[in-house]
Amino acid sequence: EVQLVESGGGLVQPGGSLRLSCAGSGLTFSWYWMYWVRQAPGKGLEWVANINQDGSAKHYVDSVWGRFTLSRDNAKNSLFLQMNSLRAEDSAMYYCAAKGAAAGDFWGQGTLVTVSS
Amino acid sequence: QAVVTQEPSLTVSPGGTVTLTCGSSTGAVTNGHNPYWFQQRSGQAPRTLIYQTSNKHSWTPARFSASLLGGKAALTLSGAQPEDEAEYYCLLAYSGVGEVFGGGTKLTVL
Repeated sequence: EVQLVESGGGLVQPGGSLRLSCAGSGLTFSWYWMYWVRQAPGKGLEWVANINQDGSAKHYVDSVWGRFTLSRDNAKNSLFLQMNSLRAEDSAMYYCAAKGAAAGDFWGQGTLVTVSS
Repeated sequence: QAVVTQEPSLTVSPGGTVTLTCGSSTGAVTNGHNPYWFQQRSGQAPRTLIYQTSNKHSWTPARFSASLLGGKAALTLSGAQPEDEAEYYCLLAYSGVGEVFGGGTKLTVL
C-alpha cells in the first residue's frame, strides 16, 4: 500500500519558519514528480511547488517564490518544504502528492500550517 | 499567472449525466497542458481520477470519462451515484512556469 505521510505543520508567528516533510512508502519514490498543494480553510486547492524525479527542476507559485524551498532525498523516500517569512495567507492544509501518470498518483492526508500571532 | 476556470457548482440527478469543464485564460486547453482531474469528498484529501487528459487509474470508476471538448478539458460523469457528490478540481500545466488548479466544481447529486 502506498502511503505519503506529511509532518512538520503547526502554529507559527508571522515572519517565522517551518519545515514540512513528506515520507513515502510502498512506491518507488524516485519515479515520481513530487508536489506540495495547499488548501486554506473552506477554499480550493492551490498548487504550491513541484520537483522532478532527480531534483534538478523545481517550480513555485509566484506567491511563495523566494520564501519557500523544495527539496527531496530519494535515498530516504522523503520530500521537504522549507517555508520562511511566513504570512497569514500561507495558513492552510498542506498536502504532499506524488505524480506518476501510469505509475500512479498518490496523496497524503495533509499537515496543517497556521500562521498567527 | 494563468487563470483556470471551472463551473462553481453543478447538480445532477442520480443516474444522470453531467459534464464539468476546465478552461484556461491563455486560450484553448490542449494535451500539452497535461490536464488532470481530482475528486475531493467533504473532509477528505483529494484523489486523482484522471491523468494526461483522459487516462483513468485503476481506482477510477468506469462512469467517469474525460476528454478535450470545445477548447476545454472536460470530465463527464455518466450514471451519477450519491457517492459522486464532491468537489472536482482540474489542474493544468504551463510549460516552464508551473501548474494551476481550477477553482473547483461542487457537484451535487440530487
